[in-house]
Amino acid sequence: DTGVSQDPRHKITKRGQNVTFRCDPISEHNRLYWYRQTLGQGPEFLTYFQNEAQLEKSRLLSDRFSAERPKGSFSTLEIQRTEQGDSAMYLCASQGGSYNEQFFGPGTRLTVL
Amino acid sequence: KNEVEQSPQNLTAQEGEFITINCSYSVGISALHWLQQHPGGGIVSLFMLSSGKKKHGRLIATINIQEKHSSLHITASHPRDSAVYICAVSGGRKTSYDKVIFGPGTSLSVIP
Repeated sequence: DTGVSQDPRHKITKRGQNVTFRCDPISEHNRLYWYRQTLGQGPEFLTYFQNEAQLEKSRLLSDRFSAERPKGSFSTLEIQRTEQGDSAMYLCASQGGSYNEQFFGPGTRLTVL
Repeated sequence: KNEVEQSPQNLTAQEGEFITINCSYSVGISALHWLQQHPGGGIVSLFMLSSGKKKHGRLIATINIQEKHSSLHITASHPRDSAVYICAVSGGRKTSYDKVIFGPGTSLSVIP
C-alpha cells in the first residue's frame, strides 16, 4: 500500500453515461498526476495539479474529460458521455516532500460497454 | 521512435533464473523509475534512481546516464515475480514538472 487510494477500483458503464473517479493522495503531497493506461500499453500522462491548480493537460484529455482538485487534497476525474475507447486503467500518483518519487494508486479500471 | 524503449517485450524464464530487463531513453531526465504491475493490478514503484545502482531484496536496478540506459535485474526468480515491468523517466526538458514518460513494459512470466 503506497498511501494513495482510488475509488472505485472497477467501474463498468454503458456508452454515453458519465463516470467520476476519485483519488486520495498522500496527505502532505502537493502534486497530483492522472495517467491513463490502455490494454497492452504503458501509462500516458493526462493532467497534473500542484495544490488546487491544474497546471498542465495532455491533448489526450478531450473536452469530455474534466479533473478537479478543489481543496488541494483529493482529486476527481470525470468523463462525460463515455465512449468505448475510454475503457482503460486510470491511475493517480502523488508527489511531494523532499523526496520526489511519485507514489501510484491502485488505479480505477473502466470498462465502457 | 518512442522516448522510452524496453527490451525484451516479453520474457519467459524458469524459476531460479537470473533475469535482466533493459531500458533505453532518448530524452534528458532527472530520474528513472522501475515499476511493477501485476495482471489487473495497480502500479507499484520498485525503484527511483538518478545514478549508479540500487538494490532491494532480489531486485537490482542500474543506470548509465551517459549511455541513457538502465537495467533491472532479478536474481533467483520466482513465479510471484511474474508481472509487467515498466521503465519510466521524469524531469527532463521535454517533460513538464515531473510528468512521467512510461515505456511500453516488459511482460515477465516465471515458470515453476
